[in-house]
Amino acid sequence: GQQVMQIPQYQHVQEGEDFTTYCNSSTTLSNIQWYKQRPGGHPVFLIQLVKSGEVKKQKRLTFQFGEAKKNSSLHITATQTTDVGTYFCVSSNTGKLIFGQGTTLQVKP
Amino acid sequence: NAGVTQTPKFQVLKTGQSMTLQCAQDMNHEYMSWYRQDPGMGLRLIHYSVGAGITDQGEVPNGYNVSRSTTEDFPLRLLSAAPSQTSVYFCASSYEGRNNSPLHFGNGTRLTVT
Repeated sequence: GQQVMQIPQYQHVQEGEDFTTYCNSSTTLSNIQWYKQRPGGHPVFLIQLVKSGEVKKQKRLTFQFGEAKKNSSLHITATQTTDVGTYFCVSSNTGKLIFGQGTTLQVKP
Repeated sequence: NAGVTQTPKFQVLKTGQSMTLQCAQDMNHEYMSWYRQDPGMGLRLIHYSVGAGITDQGEVPNGYNVSRSTTEDFPLRLLSAAPSQTSVYFCASSYEGRNNSPLHFGNGTRLTVT
């Protein structure tokens, strides 16, 4: 079935550094969602991308959907300790919403 | 609105015991689903439902049963618990699964099978 591969699995950064996580698929995606899960918490929806080449921003977060709709990225500018958590991309497959493995971000103050 | 409510928050079972994890939502969402989360493996879809009376299998359905008799409730049943089912279980709902509306998650149930 359709799967998305997410890299890296872990990322440690110094506060103030940038961070990027990538989501790649071997097949064309109809859309992609991004979620954040804080330690000990549940996933929380961040954004959905639908159009080829789409770029959306939420304050310091920038989300991109590739031109071929086979990859997506989440970039955080100038990380803060509040950005700590695991970021998941989610793709759909005939009604099933499938999570990538996630990228766990740790930020050193 | 309470959103998505899961009970219990914690549960310890012995191998072979059965139990039901409860999930209820008060947002009139059509789509409901169960995920399990294990370290390093993200969230894996167990079962999902696109509406009352309709259920389907996800990525890892074996050992679990579900039913959707009402729009609000989507219980997950473990018929004979195994240590491999030790995990954190999340219930999630969305307005309409086919259009990929955002998922709303419950707070999770941490299950240990000894």
